Amino acid sequence: EAGVTQFPSHSVIEKGQTVTLRCDPISGHDNLYWYRRVMGKEIKFLLHFVKESKQDESGMPNNRFLAERTGGTYSTLKVQPAELEDSGVYFCASRGAHWDTEAFFGQGTRLTVV
Amino acid sequence: AQKVTQAQTEISVVEKEDVTLDCVYETRDTTYYLFWYKQPPSGELVFLIRRNSFDEQNEISGRYSWNFQKSTSSFNFTITASQVVDSAVYFCALRTGGGNKLTFGTGTQLKVEL
Repeated sequence: EAGVTQFPSHSVIEKGQTVTLRCDPISGHDNLYWYRRVMGKEIKFLLHFVKESKQDESGMPNNRFLAERTGGTYSTLKVQPAELEDSGVYFCASRGAHWDTEAFFGQGTRLTVV
Repeated sequence: AQKVTQAQTEISVVEKEDVTLDCVYETRDTTYYLFWYKQPPSGELVFLIRRNSFDEQNEISGRYSWNFQKSTSSFNFTITASQVVDSAVYFCALRTGGGNKLTFGTGTQLKVEL
């Protein structure tokens, strides 16, 4: 069974440009999460989808970040326009429907804004 | 509010030494889950263990063992006879019963040298 996959693995963009990150969760997982780790700090929650619905987006930094999960399968996270402080590693995770389960993470996308 | 503290930023040991990674958590919820994840140099977060708040039984899995103590709000992780392949960043995380997102610590970088 395929795990959580993220694309691209690395992205270097200039300040002001747009970048779109993609996450393919484990097949059948209704719950999908985005997290971010900035400059060696803790991994912080960004938002949570249940199928195609945003359940919790309390961690989104500002309106330059837009997440979608059309059809309840893969998800995208767009940053527009990117700022220097957006640099970090963006992780996606998915989890099955049962409460007593763990989240499985992808390898992350390392975003560098220069 | 939830909080996870991993006071050890970096630990270096020589192969075959035992090493303990500390994790202290804070939550007012009586129902919660604790997790450990490993991030090897390849970048992905690998799930290691999940423990719920009603199960204080310690767990052993090969060279890995976990000590959960509610009295001290700690969930420590011990690697016995460490190996070079154990070199990674280890994250402790908390999920409360009423929520869905994970609260992570800042991680502990473990370096195992020959």
